[in-house]
Amino acid sequence: GESVGLHLPTLSVQEGDNSIINCAYSNSASDYFIWYKQESGKGPQFIIDIRSNMDKRQGQRVTVLLNKTVKHLSLQIAATQPGDSAVYFCAEGARYNTDKLIFGTGTRLQVFP
Amino acid sequence: NAGVTQTPKFQVLKTGQSMTLQCAQDMNHNSMYWYRQDPGMGLRLIYYSASEGTTDKGEVPNGYNVSRLNKREFSLRLESAAPSQTSVYFCASSETRPTGRGVNTEAFFGQGTRLTVV
Repeated sequence: GESVGLHLPTLSVQEGDNSIINCAYSNSASDYFIWYKQESGKGPQFIIDIRSNMDKRQGQRVTVLLNKTVKHLSLQIAATQPGDSAVYFCAEGARYNTDKLIFGTGTRLQVFP
Repeated sequence: NAGVTQTPKFQVLKTGQSMTLQCAQDMNHNSMYWYRQDPGMGLRLIYYSASEGTTDKGEVPNGYNVSRLNKREFSLRLESAAPSQTSVYFCASSETRPTGRGVNTEAFFGQGTRLTVV
């Protein structure tokens, strides 16, 4: 909704450029990570996931990179489009407790023509 | 497909009133969740249910109760609403998929319920 995300970090990019959204996680036991996209007034939608035995995973126009050493996750969006404008959340889960997905605070992506 | 359906979409309560948020999923998922979303704080897990008949506390359970009525439905109840419970509430469901090295869990979310407590 409109009131959600008022204080979120914001990334502004021009249409056609690549976007990189970053996320730091704190639980070293987490071994499963997901990126979600949330458009205004809607619930989060799954984009891509990655397990801790991988460093990189690619989807359609999106790539997720995982650096376990520094507990950092990034989402790269190629050729960013206006429809990519949304709030992006990373979520982490632990192998033996995957019912508890823990979400980050989110980053707002604004795409300008 | 309907996916995850939440009702109501909007609600205004007075302090001390009670209400129940309803959630139903048609994907035959075992796990269901309730999250709240506040500005600058992302999604925080209130309660979850790993299977029919079981519920567990999440990160912020105080002031809430839940009921896993059956596999499809998971309701969230506020017994005595407080202004601090003003938030957007999301229900989600997931099917934990076993893999060679553990499980993957992709959650599907409802559209959210915007609750204001005055």
